[in-house]
Amino acid sequence: EDQVTQSPEALRLQEGESSSLNCSYTVSGLRGLFWYRQDPGKGPEFLFTLYSAGEEKEKERLKATLTKKESFLHITAPKPEDSATYLCAVEDSGSGGGADGLTFGKGTHLIIQP
Amino acid sequence: NAGVTQTPKFQVLKTGQSMTLQCAQDMNHEYMSWYRQDPGMGLRLIHYSVGAGITDQGEVPNGYNVSRSTTEDFPLRLLSAAPSQTSVYFCASRGPAGGYIGELFFGEGSRLTVL
Repeated sequence: EDQVTQSPEALRLQEGESSSLNCSYTVSGLRGLFWYRQDPGKGPEFLFTLYSAGEEKEKERLKATLTKKESFLHITAPKPEDSATYLCAVEDSGSGGGADGLTFGKGTHLIIQP
Repeated sequence: NAGVTQTPKFQVLKTGQSMTLQCAQDMNHEYMSWYRQDPGMGLRLIHYSVGAGITDQGEVPNGYNVSRSTTEDFPLRLLSAAPSQTSVYFCASRGPAGGYIGELFFGEGSRLTVL
């Protein structure tokens, strides 16, 4: 059975203080790893898809990286508007995932203080 | 494009009442799904559909019913509401017909309270 563990559960940073969020996973075969951002009272919004170890993707102050066991979401010089919950999900190409092949982590709640 | 549209945004029910959460997408996506999100539990899959006329159960299907008569619409029915169904419900869709299905697109959510 696939597992996705995100850490830390919550993170409070000062504006400009860079850090990383972790997503550790176990799958029988990785089809894709997804990062989403969720603002309070809203649905998750897609950020990145990573497909293979060594892959990196960037968007503004965010950079996502992938190894065979985990993914990191690096946040460089964050601003208060980066405050949100960040969700990680994996899609299994085998039979170990959820009913639809997707398994979500519980998220990291990020707060950026001015 | 409106994307994924859910209605209503808020609903209060009494135990035993039934209701339908509506979901529509205008992206010609084959795959649609319903999740519930509870504090500390993350997103849990209720039901999903890979195309019109095809539905299947997710992780927590009990107490819910779905149908998919068109590509665009995927309503979620609560048959007899219970307090344990108090949650935020998200509809999502992915994948154009015939292509790699890729990432999920979520609706804004429907917050349901069962008294």
